[in-house]
Amino acid sequence: EAAVTQSPRNKVAVTGGKVTLSCNQTNNHNNMYWYRQDTGHGLRLIHYSYGAGSTEKGDIPDGYKASRPSQENFSLILELATPSQTSVYFCASGHLQGYEQYFGPGTRLTVL
Amino acid sequence: GDSVTQTEGLVTVTEGLPVMLNCTYQTAYSDVAFFWYVQYLNEAPKLLLRSSTDNKRTEHQGFHATLHKSSSSFHLQKSSVQLSDSALYYCALLPLSGSFNKLTFGAGTRLAVCP
Repeated sequence: EAAVTQSPRNKVAVTGGKVTLSCNQTNNHNNMYWYRQDTGHGLRLIHYSYGAGSTEKGDIPDGYKASRPSQENFSLILELATPSQTSVYFCASGHLQGYEQYFGPGTRLTVL
Repeated sequence: GDSVTQTEGLVTVTEGLPVMLNCTYQTAYSDVAFFWYVQYLNEAPKLLLRSSTDNKRTEHQGFHATLHKSSSSFHLQKSSVQLSDSALYYCALLPLSGSFNKLTFGAGTRLAVCP
């Protein structure tokens, strides 16, 4: 079965600090995604990637950067964290045609 | 751009009764797939069912949905809910053309099944 892991699972950060969320997948999927989940908004796409070395802006990229150093790893970077970025973040991977996405367990980020 | 609307934030149903979770959409694409994802408490979302064929019923784990392009809908139904069906349900849309396919999710509907 598809396997997507995320670290850390919980993170408390201070306003203005740098936060890096990591995601690893062992499915050999080309596509990877970062979403945030907020009540009333559902899952919103922040960044995505076609493969190693590529990153693309999703629907809500402001305040976030992404890095895809390898097929397996996809990181989300908050250079200057703000309280509005308090949320649950999900990483997902999927086949090239993007039919089904496999989600990681999520990271709960609190920015104080 | 594409949009998916799930009108109910919370649906409460008594165990054993039927339920329908609404999903409507807007898209400029003609070739589109639709999904229902389910997320149980403290777990990751996972695929429940998928369809891209107009007027064809799709079933999985006792749930079913039929894509109706004429009414731009993909409602999720179950004839008899169980306590274990309590979860957050997301409807999502995926264009099947273009250089990259990304899902557009609705806001989600929380289903609470009561004994």
